[in-house]
Amino acid sequence: GDSVTQMEGPVTLSEEAFLTINCTYTATGYPSLFWYVQYPGEGLQLLLKATKADDKGSNKGFEATYRKETTSFHLEKGSVQVSDSAVYFCALSNNAGNMLTFGGGTRLMVKP
Amino acid sequence: DARVTQTPRHKVTEMGQEVTMRCQPILGHNTVFWYRQTMMQGLELLAYFRNRAPLDDSGMPKDRFSAEMPDATLATLKIQPSEPRDSAVYFCASGRPVPLDTEAFFGQGTRLTVV
Repeated sequence: GDSVTQMEGPVTLSEEAFLTINCTYTATGYPSLFWYVQYPGEGLQLLLKATKADDKGSNKGFEATYRKETTSFHLEKGSVQVSDSAVYFCALSNNAGNMLTFGGGTRLMVKP
Repeated sequence: DARVTQTPRHKVTEMGQEVTMRCQPILGHNTVFWYRQTMMQGLELLAYFRNRAPLDDSGMPKDRFSAEMPDATLATLKIQPSEPRDSAVYFCASGRPVPLDTEAFFGQGTRLTVV
């Protein structure tokens, strides 16, 4: 079945540092890929998505590129802020019905 | 600003009691999901509805959990009887009827504590 693997956290960075959170997936066909973010006490919010190979999703300074050859969708940001502290989930959907398969989540802590 | 609404936000109950969690999906969305989030298991899909019909509830313990959609504006998740191991945050999410545009919109969750 489909699965998503992302790096375990927590990831602790200083403000303005470069961020990479690795995500790889296993799926048949051509899944859509997502990054969701969860702030403390909140539900998950879509951060960015990509629906086909080589697409780059971007939002709020975050980027991720759909790499079919390496089955990866790594999240990057050039300069993190304290307000980016949250849990980040990589996910895929492999059908037309919005059902998501999530990775385990990576907690990011950004220190001033 | 359309959003998925879940009630209650917090629930503390005693073991053995019935718990009902409610979800109002975004108007016009035709898919509804129930997820459970725990520290140990992460996010687990419990049930999935499309056009109010259950499509997948294989992740749900059948002996105590039940999920229904009485109408297009309400989804419910019931636990009877509840157990301490059911303590978790339960999220509802809904999605648009657009093929291959598979974004899901999440509610803020119901934090359940069973003592």
